Amino acid sequence: GESVGLHLPTLSVQEGDNSIINCAYSNSASDYFIWYKQESGKGPQFIIDIRSNMDKRQGQRVTVLLNKTVKHLSLQIAATQPGDSAVYFCAEKGSSNTGKLIFGQGTTLQVKP
Amino acid sequence: NAGVTQTPKFQVLKTGQSMTLQCAQDMNHEYMSWYRQDPGMGLRLIHYSVGAGITDQGEVPNGYNVSRSTTEDFPLRLLSAAPSQTSVYFCASSYSGLAGIEQYFGPGTRLTVT
Repeated sequence: GESVGLHLPTLSVQEGDNSIINCAYSNSASDYFIWYKQESGKGPQFIIDIRSNMDKRQGQRVTVLLNKTVKHLSLQIAATQPGDSAVYFCAEKGSSNTGKLIFGQGTTLQVKP
Repeated sequence: NAGVTQTPKFQVLKTGQSMTLQCAQDMNHEYMSWYRQDPGMGLRLIHYSVGAGITDQGEVPNGYNVSRSTTEDFPLRLLSAAPSQTSVYFCASSYSGLAGIEQYFGPGTRLTVT
């Protein structure tokens, strides 16, 4: 069946360094991918998305890379700040238009001062 | 706009009790969905709705019912609570189900079934 998973459950980085969070997906038909940030006690918050016809998309301090050949997605955070500490989820949307998202397990990002 | 609101924030139930988790959005969004989140896991889709009067099952629908009588509200019902339903429940909404349309999440309801 479809699945989306993350390689590393916890990532610890020094403040100011760049962070890279990885995600693998299994459904080659998925056409849309999203990264969410979830702070403790809150719901997921949209960070950045990318369609399958792109391989890179940049936002403010964040970049998402998509490698469809190996079905891999990554989130890069530049100059990581303490406020970036959270759990990060990747999610994929299948080719149907039902809006159904399949989430990965999540990676905890810890930023050390 | 209040966005997506959920009530209650916390709830403790005994096995076999029933209850309804409320979800409302004031953004006139067509698409609404319910997820559950268990420790160390991502969110799993329970039920979703692409518009008033239309609902469908997600990944883990057993033990849950939904209805969508209005665009604004999408309640989730537990008919006979079980300890396996202890989880954090999130409601989400978006303008449509199409790719590229951002989903907004509510703050969650933390449910414990004893």
